[in-house]
Amino acid sequence: GQQLNQSPQSMFIQEGEDVSMNCTSSSIFNTWLWYKQDPGEGPVLLIALYKAGELTSNGRLTAQFGITRKDSFLNISASIPSDVGIYFCAGQLIPQGNTPLVFGKGTRLSVIA
Amino acid sequence: NAGVMQNPRHLVRRRGQEARLRCSPMKGHSHVYWYRQLPEEGLKFMVYLQKENIIDESGMPKERFSAEFPKEGPSILRIQQVVRGDSAAYFCASSPLRQGLAKNIQYFGAGTRLSVL
Repeated sequence: GQQLNQSPQSMFIQEGEDVSMNCTSSSIFNTWLWYKQDPGEGPVLLIALYKAGELTSNGRLTAQFGITRKDSFLNISASIPSDVGIYFCAGQLIPQGNTPLVFGKGTRLSVIA
Repeated sequence: NAGVMQNPRHLVRRRGQEARLRCSPMKGHSHVYWYRQLPEEGLKFMVYLQKENIIDESGMPKERFSAEFPKEGPSILRIQQVVRGDSAAYFCASSPLRQGLAKNIQYFGAGTRLSVL
C-alpha cells in the first residue's frame, strides 16, 4: 500500500526557533495536507495544497507541494509553546473526489521555553 | 455549527465483548470516513461511507469489523469479539458532497479511545 515517510520523527527546539519537517512518498499524490494533533484530540487541518509547486502560508506556517508531486514540507517560524504537538502530513490521490487520506507517522514537536 | 461528534470518548471492553463507536458528521456533510490510530503511529484508513452506502472498505479487517451510516442517525463502527490488538484511537472524519470546485476537506472528530482488557 501507499506509504508516506515523514521526518524527523521528533524535534526538540527552543522557543523562537524555526522548524522544518517534510514528507516523501514513493507514489504521486494530487493533494497534500498538513494536520496538527494535540494530545487526546483529533487532527486539525493546518494547510491544504492542491497544485504541484504551490507554496501556501497560514500565519507562521508555510507549506509547499513538491514539483514531483511526491513530497511536501512544512515550516513553522518563530515557534511558541502552543506549537507543541504531533504534525501529520497526508496525501490524497484524487483532488476533486471524496477519497481516503494516506497519513505519515507524524513529527512530534516539543518546544522548550 | 457543531463539528464532528464522536462518542464515547473513551470505551473500555473486555476481550470477547462488542464495541460500538458512534460518529455524527458535521451538519451538511454526507461523507464519513473512519480511521484507526495505534500508539506512536499515523492514522490508517478503514472505511468510507455515504448515507446507506459503503463506498470503500479496503482498510477494514475482514472479520469482526463492520460499519454503517443509516439514513437517520450517526455512523456506527462496530467491533465484535474485541481482542487486545483492537486497542487504539478510532477517528471519524466527514466531508461535504463536492459541488463545483469546492475542495473536499475532511474534518476530524476528537476520537474514541478503545481499551481492551
